[in-house]
Amino acid sequence: DAGVIQSPRHEVTEMGQEVTLRCKPISGHNSLFWYRQTMMRGLELLIYFNNNVPIDDSGMPEDRFSAKMPNASFSTLKIQPSEPRDSAVYFCASNYPGQGYANYGYTFGSGTRLTVV
Amino acid sequence: QKEVEQNSGPLSVPEGAIASLNCTYSDRVSQSFFWYRQYSGKSPELIMSIYSNGDKEDGRFTAQLNKASQYVSLLIRDSQPSDSATYLCAVNRREEKLTFGTGTRLTIIP
Repeated sequence: DAGVIQSPRHEVTEMGQEVTLRCKPISGHNSLFWYRQTMMRGLELLIYFNNNVPIDDSGMPEDRFSAKMPNASFSTLKIQPSEPRDSAVYFCASNYPGQGYANYGYTFGSGTRLTVV
Repeated sequence: QKEVEQNSGPLSVPEGAIASLNCTYSDRVSQSFFWYRQYSGKSPELIMSIYSNGDKEDGRFTAQLNKASQYVSLLIRDSQPSDSATYLCAVNRREEKLTFGTGTRLTIIP
């Protein structure tokens, strides 16, 4: 199993540009999570999907952020327009929830380090 | 009050000693508890999970849970330099999403 695959690994963009981060979950995992990690705030949940349906997007900072999961093997997180304060590491994680909650813990992807200048 | 609180450290422990990492949580209905290890520049890696009060051992790692005190800990026996990392405590309620603490940075001194 290749694990959770994220791309790109690093992204440097100018303020105001659109940024798209991509994630492929582990095959058979039906829950997908997007987290953001900064030194100041730690790991923050942005949004999560179950069976491709967004369940909780309360962590999405503002309308500049959007996420989609068109099928079970692909998700995107888009920031438009990007701002310097969006600079962080963005992690995608997937989970097979077993009895309906995080029984087994998540598996994280390698992350995308985003720098907005 | 933060949902999940950890001492940010850094915590320095001599090689071969026991490292003790602590975590408290605020929501009494929390059901599942996890410890993740994160090396610098890497992603979090699940190392322990615990669901019931008491101790759970896995090799050199022991997780301890006390739901009455809303407290979960991780003990690392015979600490090795390779254990130097940030350790994240994570908690979930009757839902899938995990809430993470900000992590404790552990340094094992040779």
